[in-house]
Amino acid sequence: QVQLVQSGAEVKKPGASVKVSCKASGYTFTSYGISWVRQAPGQGLEWMGWISAYNGNTNYAQKLQGRVTMTTDTSTSTAYMELRSLRSDDTAVYYCARWGSSGGLDYWGQGTLVTVSS
Amino acid sequence: DIVMTQTPLSSPVTLGQPASISCRSSQSLVHSDGNTYLSWLQQRPGQPPRLLIYKISNRFSGVPDRFSGSGAGTDFTLKISRVEAEDVGVYYCMQATQSLYTFGQGTKLEIK
Repeated sequence: QVQLVQSGAEVKKPGASVKVSCKASGYTFTSYGISWVRQAPGQGLEWMGWISAYNGNTNYAQKLQGRVTMTTDTSTSTAYMELRSLRSDDTAVYYCARWGSSGGLDYWGQGTLVTVSS
Repeated sequence: DIVMTQTPLSSPVTLGQPASISCRSSQSLVHSDGNTYLSWLQQRPGQPPRLLIYKISNRFSGVPDRFSGSGAGTDFTLKISRVEAEDVGVYYCMQATQSLYTFGQGTKLEIK
C-alpha cells in the first residue's frame, strides 16, 4: 500500500534552517510528483510547492521563493523540503502529499511539526 | 494566484441531514488539457487531510458514495447526502489547474 512517512518534530531558533524528509513506499517513486503543504496552528492549508520525482523540476509558492528548496533522492524514494531563515510564523505542521495520476493529492504523510522559537 | 473562496465557513448540520459546501475560483479552472483540477479534501481533527473528490466529481478510492462533487468553470459544490458523525471536520477545495496550487479557507462541518 502507498505510504508516505515523514521525519520527526523539530524545534528551531529564528534564522535557522530545517529539512523535513518524506519516505515513500508502495509505488514507483519516480512516476509521481510530491507536493508540500503546511498548516499553521488553528489555520488552513497552505500549498508550498511541488517537485517531480521523475526529473526534479520544481514549482514553489511565490511567498516562499528564495527560502525553500525541494529535492528528491530516488535511490531511497525520499523527498525533502528545506526551509531557511526561519521565522516564528513558519511554525506549522508540514505535510508531504503525492500528486496522483487521478489528478489530486491522493496520499499524505502524517505531518511534521516544526516549531520556531527563541 | 487563483483565489479559492468557500462558503459557508461553518456548517452546523443535523445527523442524517444533507450538507452542501460551495467553492468559487477567481478564474476558470479548465486546464489547457481539457481537465478541471478541482478537488475536495477532508481533514478530521488531529489527522492529515484526505482526498475525497478529484477533477470535480470523481470519488477517490474508499470514499463513501454519500459524498458527491459537481460544478464547472469557476463554481463548484461538495454535497454530503446524509451526514454521519464521522464526517465532522474541515473541508477544503483545492485547485491544481494553475501550476501554483491554492486551497480554499476551509469549511468546518459540525453536528448540531
